[in-house]
Amino acid sequence: DAGVIQSPRHEVTEMGQEVTLRCKPISGHDYLFWYRQTMMRGLELLIYFNNNVPIDDSGMPEDRFSAKMPNASFSTLKIQPSEPRDSAVYFCASSQQESAFFGQGTRLTVV
Amino acid sequence: EDQVTQSPEALRLQEGESSSLNCSYTVSGLRGLFWYRQDPGKGPEFLFTLYSAGEEKEKERLKATLTKKESFLHITAPKPEDSATYLCAVHPSGYSTLTFGKGTMLLVSP
Repeated sequence: DAGVIQSPRHEVTEMGQEVTLRCKPISGHDYLFWYRQTMMRGLELLIYFNNNVPIDDSGMPEDRFSAKMPNASFSTLKIQPSEPRDSAVYFCASSQQESAFFGQGTRLTVV
Repeated sequence: EDQVTQSPEALRLQEGESSSLNCSYTVSGLRGLFWYRQDPGKGPEFLFTLYSAGEEKEKERLKATLTKKESFLHITAPKPEDSATYLCAVHPSGYSTLTFGKGTMLLVSP
């Protein structure tokens, strides 16, 4: 398996624009997690899915953030409208039992 | 509230100079404690899972230990390629997610 695949690797956008981050989890994993990493706050859980169903989105900072998982092999995290404080590295991770495996991340810069 | 505190924030070692990284945690019930390694520009890479106090796991120059309040990651005779940020995370009982510490940035000089 190629591991968790995220796209794009880097995204630079202007404030107010919509941003969509994509994730393909490891086949067979029934949990999918979206994390955000910054120097100040470290790794923060935004939302996670179990069997494509959102279970806990309490970490989503605002209504500007939304996530979907239309099927077992694809998930998106959307920010609309984006703001400079959203600049961070966003990670997707998947797991089958307890060990979560992470993608390479998307570095988002909002100018 | 579940908390994970890692120390030191940064550590600089000479090649061959052994040391330990600390992870202190507060959880209502521990299902597992995880160690990850993160290289610059990459996602965290899974290293170990520890489940109960007294348990130890080893991988090359790394050994992880667990007590009821903290975990240590011992690095024996480190090499420059061990330079990375090491993250500790706890899996609380009754939850499906991990709570991460902020990590220890390790730099090993030749």
